Amino acid sequence: GQQLNQSPQSMFIQEGEDVSMNCTSSSIFNTWLWYKQDPGEGPVLLIALYKAGELTSNGRLTAQFGITRKDSFLNISASIPSDVGIYFCAGLAGGTSYGKLTFGQGTILTVHP
Amino acid sequence: GAVVSQHPSRVICKSGTSVKIECRSLDFQATTMFWYRQFPKQSLMLMATSNEGSKATYEQGVEKDKFLINHASLTLSTLTVTSAHPEDSSFYICSARGARGQPQHFGDGTRLSIL
Repeated sequence: GQQLNQSPQSMFIQEGEDVSMNCTSSSIFNTWLWYKQDPGEGPVLLIALYKAGELTSNGRLTAQFGITRKDSFLNISASIPSDVGIYFCAGLAGGTSYGKLTFGQGTILTVHP
Repeated sequence: GAVVSQHPSRVICKSGTSVKIECRSLDFQATTMFWYRQFPKQSLMLMATSNEGSKATYEQGVEKDKFLINHASLTLSTLTVTSAHPEDSSFYICSARGARGQPQHFGDGTRLSIL
């Protein structure tokens, strides 16, 4: 099925560095979501974006809903070791999709102390 | 808020066994629940969408007789893997959402291993 183009696929950074990842799509979404998944667990919702152009923060995390509604980015500032995990973007289309999400391929983040 | 509980977290069983996985929304009413399958280091693959009181809608390529889904109440959905075989071994994750337009919240997943 359709997937969002998420990049980068993986990142290796030093503790304290800032991180940026993004997702793009050829189609429009009404909602963009960012999730984090730790090994052996389900994804946890980090940020939900509902309006084009919206910029939302959650602690050290900041995400934006692209103005074209076809992209979104997530920034993590001053990374710490517990930021390690897989980050997924997900888009929610409107209409009769019954809330089905389209996921990005994920960004694997490794933080070196 | 928005807690989804999935049980069991891990199952190991013999080939040919049927396995039931439960997904519960603990603090909200889930009009729609979703079942995913995830392979190592890959994204989530949607298997089916389940609306309370209705038959589940399966994604293309997912055998509905193999993966039985029941969503009898607004807080509980079950996935039964019938006559499981080693190729069914995977990480299965459920999610639930309340009202239309609300984000999905995920359970902690079930690691299924078929010997």
